[in-house]
Amino acid sequence: QVQLVESGGGLVNPGGSLRLSCAASGFTFSGDYMSWIRQAPGKGLQWVSYISGGGTTIYYADSVKGRFTISRDNAMNSLFLQMNSLRAEDTAVYYCARDHCTNGVCYHDYWGQGTLVTVSS
Amino acid sequence: EIVLTQSPGTLSLSPGERATLSCRASQRISSSYLAWYQQKPGQAPRLLIYGASSRATGVPDRFSGSGSGTDFTLTISGLEPEDFAVYYCQHYGSSPRYTFGQGTKLEIK
Repeated sequence: QVQLVESGGGLVNPGGSLRLSCAASGFTFSGDYMSWIRQAPGKGLQWVSYISGGGTTIYYADSVKGRFTISRDNAMNSLFLQMNSLRAEDTAVYYCARDHCTNGVCYHDYWGQGTLVTVSS
Repeated sequence: EIVLTQSPGTLSLSPGERATLSCRASQRISSSYLAWYQQKPGQAPRLLIYGASSRATGVPDRFSGSGSGTDFTLTISGLEPEDFAVYYCQHYGSSPRYTFGQGTKLEIK
């Protein structure tokens, strides 16, 4: 069965960096788009970034563009999010999700349990 | 940029009742690009509906989606105790790639 397990969250100072990882299993990882989605405490969902199976197509939300970098290692079935210049408003639970894409339409069909990132001094 | 507005913010109903949740887009969108998710406290979201009206694997048939253009609806007929949760609609687009509505909380009356 599909499993997504995030790690790497924690407490970081404003301006600091953190690298999140998502270990995937139960499907052909290299064949699927993957996304990061975040949820600030008590708030709604916000899509952060997405990457194609081969890593050649990447999109970011405007709020993280230039600060966050998504990447993947298909040999290790892993997805990453490098977060730099972190701000208090980046505090959130970060979820990785598999994007099921068919006929030019995508949606998140499997989600990990999330990892909490807290940006505070 | 497409903005999705969900209403009501909170819906209070009793088990067995019918729930109707609305998602309105700021401009016309293809129904193919509209999905619904359910999130229970302390859990990750779960895909319910894609393509506006297709149920995801394992989703009970009391959940149904409908709509077109700018107005979309998630209907839950015969609420079960486990259905009380927060529901989000989502649009898959070009920029940003995905947009979520702000969510509707379905609570027990």
